[in-house]
Amino acid sequence: SYELTQPPSVSVSPGQTASIACSGDKLGYKYTHWYQHKAGQPPLLVIYQDNKRPSGIPERFSGSNSGNTATLTISGTQTIDEADYSCQAWDSGTVVFGGGTKLTVL
Amino acid sequence: EVQLEESGGRLVQPGGSLRLSCTASGFTFSDLYMDWVRQAPGKGLEWVGRIRNKANSYTTEYVASVEGRFTISRDDSKNLLYLQMNSLKTEDTAVYYCARPRSGSGYFFDFWGRGTLVTVSS
Repeated sequence: SYELTQPPSVSVSPGQTASIACSGDKLGYKYTHWYQHKAGQPPLLVIYQDNKRPSGIPERFSGSNSGNTATLTISGTQTIDEADYSCQAWDSGTVVFGGGTKLTVL
Repeated sequence: EVQLEESGGRLVQPGGSLRLSCTASGFTFSDLYMDWVRQAPGKGLEWVGRIRNKANSYTTEYVASVEGRFTISRDDSKNLLYLQMNSLKTEDTAVYYCARPRSGSGYFFDFWGRGTLVTVSS
């Protein structure tokens, strides 16, 4: 079965750029989507189709996807961005999630 | 405004059964596929399964770990989505979310409910 791999944790200082990687075999040939998940809240779609932002998502969120790695980038990270982030792709009719990355802003 | 609200989660013993519901509003529920996704404590998100719309014969698909034990159904007249869970195992303990998928170019979820907690324990 297809697998997506994320680092368990990423730390960033406020105002700096955070990058969260998601790797999978030939992932660049698939669309990757990203969700922000805070405790007690539903997951929030922050990037879809590799690099598109839904309405209401700040411009500091961006995405890219090439080769075997998709990347979520948060520019000028704010404390409110501290959350878990999960990547997601579609493979052979199945939805696949990465294991999630805890972003710490400190 | 799109809203999804799950209900029905509770403590249940291993081997037991439970039915979750998801009430949808703010969009044409009957037109769309709908999915269930879960998150076990300390784990990542896991797709559970989907049900297609009437135009696609309400067909369903499931992750292998729940195939044969879980059944997704829907009542388009009431904008309700269901997840019938039988032969529950401790590893089914999780928050269960209903999610609205968008498809065409990729398949992703643009709206999620707040989730309902299912605890399987003796």
